[in-house]
Formats: sequence, structure tokens, C-alpha cells
Amino acid sequence: ETGVTQSPTHLIKTRGQQVTLRCSSQSGHNTVSWYQQALGQGPQFIFQYYREEENGRGNFPPRFSGLQFPNYSSELNVNALELDDSALYLCASSTWGPPGDTQYFGPGTRLTVL
Amino acid sequence: EDQVTQSPEALRLQEGESSSLNCSYTVSGLRGLFWYRQDPGKGPEFLFTLYSAGEEKEKERLKATLTKKESFLHITAPKPEDSATYLCAVEGDSNYQLIWGAGTKLIIKP
Repeated sequence: ETGVTQSPTHLIKTRGQQVTLRCSSQSGHNTVSWYQQALGQGPQFIFQYYREEENGRGNFPPRFSGLQFPNYSSELNVNALELDDSALYLCASSTWGPPGDTQYFGPGTRLTVL
Repeated sequence: EDQVTQSPEALRLQEGESSSLNCSYTVSGLRGLFWYRQDPGKGPEFLFTLYSAGEEKEKERLKATLTKKESFLHITAPKPEDSATYLCAVEGDSNYQLIWGAGTKLIIKP
């Protein structure tokens, strides 16, 4: 059984640029959630994907968008990067089923916006 | 509004000194309360899920308990390798997103 993987590990961009982060879900999981974690804070929910459709979104602007592919892997795209977008971006996978199902996290992508 | 508050923000203990971390929550219809451990620069590592008041779960030196308003993570005779940030999150019945606390940074000195 493979765990959740994310790429790249680190990324440096400049303000106004666009970025794509990638996530491969754990074997057997069909749901992917994305989180933003600022330094010293808990993760903030961005959105969740199930069956290639967005299923719930947190308080993030439309320039944060995503995709889920038939193999359940996912992408997070951020347009018009701002300095405050600098954070650790986490992907978590789970099964779509009973409430409170456990989410398993990848190692994260550290994004720095200059 | 769903909310999670963790205390203390940081806790320094000597090796072998037992203590507890607190997670207070306000949520509409608790589906689950989750404890994760996070090492610096890494993703959260799952520890426990608790579903109802009175439930307890244990793993090695850790024990998690749940009441209707809060959860405790008890750590017994901790070792330096237990040093990490411990995060608490809840899922309510309004949607499937997790609401997170800011975490407790635990430092165990040898």
C-alpha cells in the first residue's frame, strides 16, 4: 500500500506568477482534500474533490482551483500569486464513506512567494 | 461557528514527566475528532479518531479521551522522540471539511 505523495517538495515563485501542485492519493482512496498551513498555524481547508468534482470549499478566492483525475490523483492551481500565499500546502486522501473517516496526509509542498 | 482551541500553545517537559494537552471544540453535530502529530516541515501523521463522548483510545505512551466539549491527549512518561506539534481537528455535520486547532508544540528534554 502506497502512501500519499506530493510534488514538488519545495517551490519558489514570484508575485503574480501561477503554480501547480500535484498529489497522488493513497491506494484505495477516492477523495482528496487540499489544505494551506501557514507557519505556526493549523491547516486551513481549501477544497475537496470526489469523483473528479469539487465537493466543498473553504474560504479561499477563485484563483485557487483544482482538478481530480480518474486515477484519483489531484492538482492544486493557484493564479496571480500573492506574498501571503507562502505556506505549506498539504494534500490528504480518504475514502468517501462514513462520517469522520480518517484523512491521511502527504508530506506537503513548501511554497515561497517572493 | 465551528471552532477548535488548543492549549497550551507550547509545553516543555522533562523526559518521563507526564502531562496532558487540551483541545476544546464547538461544532454542530460532531462526526469525529482527530488527533495528529506533525514534525517540522512534514505533513500531519494520524494518531486517533474519537467519535463519541466517553470514548478513549491508546497508542504507546499516548491516550486520547473525549467529552462533549473537549478532548485530552495524555502523554505518559514521554521520551525526546515524542517532541512534535500535536494537532486536533473536528468534523461537523455541516460539511466534510476538518476544522483545525493551531496545535500544541511539545518539547521533551532528555
